Amino acid sequence: NAGVTQTPKFQVLKTGQSMTLQCAQDMNHEYMSWYRQDPGMGLRLIHYSVGAGITDQGEVPNGYNVSRSTTEDFPLRLLSAAPSQTSVYFCASSTGQGAYYGYTFGSGTRLTVV
Amino acid sequence: AQSVTQPDIHITVSEGASLELRCNYSYGATPYLFWYVQSPGQGLQLLLKYFSGDTLVQGIKGFEAEFKRSQSSFNLRKPSVHWSDAAEYFCAVGDTGNQFYFGTGTSLTVIP
Repeated sequence: NAGVTQTPKFQVLKTGQSMTLQCAQDMNHEYMSWYRQDPGMGLRLIHYSVGAGITDQGEVPNGYNVSRSTTEDFPLRLLSAAPSQTSVYFCASSTGQGAYYGYTFGSGTRLTVV
Repeated sequence: AQSVTQPDIHITVSEGASLELRCNYSYGATPYLFWYVQSPGQGLQLLLKYFSGDTLVQGIKGFEAEFKRSQSSFNLRKPSVHWSDAAEYFCAVGDTGNQFYFGTGTSLTVIP
């Protein structure tokens, strides 16, 4: 049981480039979310999904795009990378009541935009 | 709006000493409360959670936390800290809309 798998683990982008951070879970979880972690700011919610075909914005959605075509996958797209998007990104998933059971987190993607 | 405050940015304790990490929350209803631990370069691991019942909850790795509604607190404790407990600790509150709100974290250093 792999849990939540994120790829890549590390990435360096140039300003203006686009890329997709991959997230896959094999637990048949309905809920999936993307967070970014910055020093002194904890984790902030970027986008989340309550099921295939349904996504919504979180606290800091600007510059990011998501889609949820399957239950298993929830990719995060950076449309035009900016230095302010340098961060560690975490994908998380949960059962139908994630706030009740808690989230399972991936190991993170460390992104640097130069 | 929901929020979580962890007043201590960094704590240093000696190995074998007791530990208490503070967490205060703001939430209108009965909250779902969590503590996560993050080791360097790793993702977040769930330590324990509270959603109802006994206000003292036990978690993994010898940690416990106590929910105090009157103080809006959910402090994490451990009687005797081990060097391997050095990590970042996050308190979080979950609402009925399946949203999580994290504190800014407390970094724990353990002195041998």
